[in-house]
Amino acid sequence: DAGVTQSPTHLIKTRGQQVTLRCSPISGHKSVSWYQQVLGQGPQFIFQYYEKEERGRGNFPDRFSARQFPNYSSELNVNALLLGDSALYLCASSLTTGTGLEQYFGPGTRLTVT
Amino acid sequence: AQKITQTQPGMFVQEKEAVTLDCTYDTSDQSYGLFWYKQPSSGEMIFLIYQGSYDEQNATEGRYSLNFQKARKSANLVISASQLGDSAMYFCAMRALFSGGYNKLIFGAGTRLAVHP
Repeated sequence: DAGVTQSPTHLIKTRGQQVTLRCSPISGHKSVSWYQQVLGQGPQFIFQYYEKEERGRGNFPDRFSARQFPNYSSELNVNALLLGDSALYLCASSLTTGTGLEQYFGPGTRLTVT
Repeated sequence: AQKITQTQPGMFVQEKEAVTLDCTYDTSDQSYGLFWYKQPSSGEMIFLIYQGSYDEQNATEGRYSLNFQKARKSANLVISASQLGDSAMYFCAMRALFSGGYNKLIFGAGTRLAVHP
């Protein structure tokens, strides 16, 4: 079975622009989470979606938004990009939001803001 | 506040030897889960091992074992018989549950492991 896929792999944007990152979960997984990993740090939680609804949000500004589609794929949008948004954005999928279930991560999208 | 602490920014080990990567955690929850992930230079987070807070035995997965000491709030990863391909960043993480029915992983800062031939 295919794992979690993310697109694009790499992206270069200019300050003030907007970006959309995409994630396809493992088949059958209904929950998608997004994480931001700044260079030299561990990933930080941004959002969790389950059954197309936002279930949790981390400490990120409103410039960050996301949505989940009927096929459980997800998009992360970041508006008015700042230099500090440069990071690896990781998507993770799991069967549900329940306990005891590890999240399977995709390869990430590396965003560079210049 | 829930927190994961990894105090070793970098470690190195000789091939075929064992190495222990340290992780301590802080939580007031009674039920929680602890994870270790490997992140090679490609960026993907690879799940290695999981330990539930109520599990009485230490988790093992092949060459990986988790030394879980609940009273000390530590969850150290032991890699036996290190291989060159083990060179990577290693992250300890804790699953935190929130009202509203969602959970998130809280990660430490990571430890970079270098395996020398």
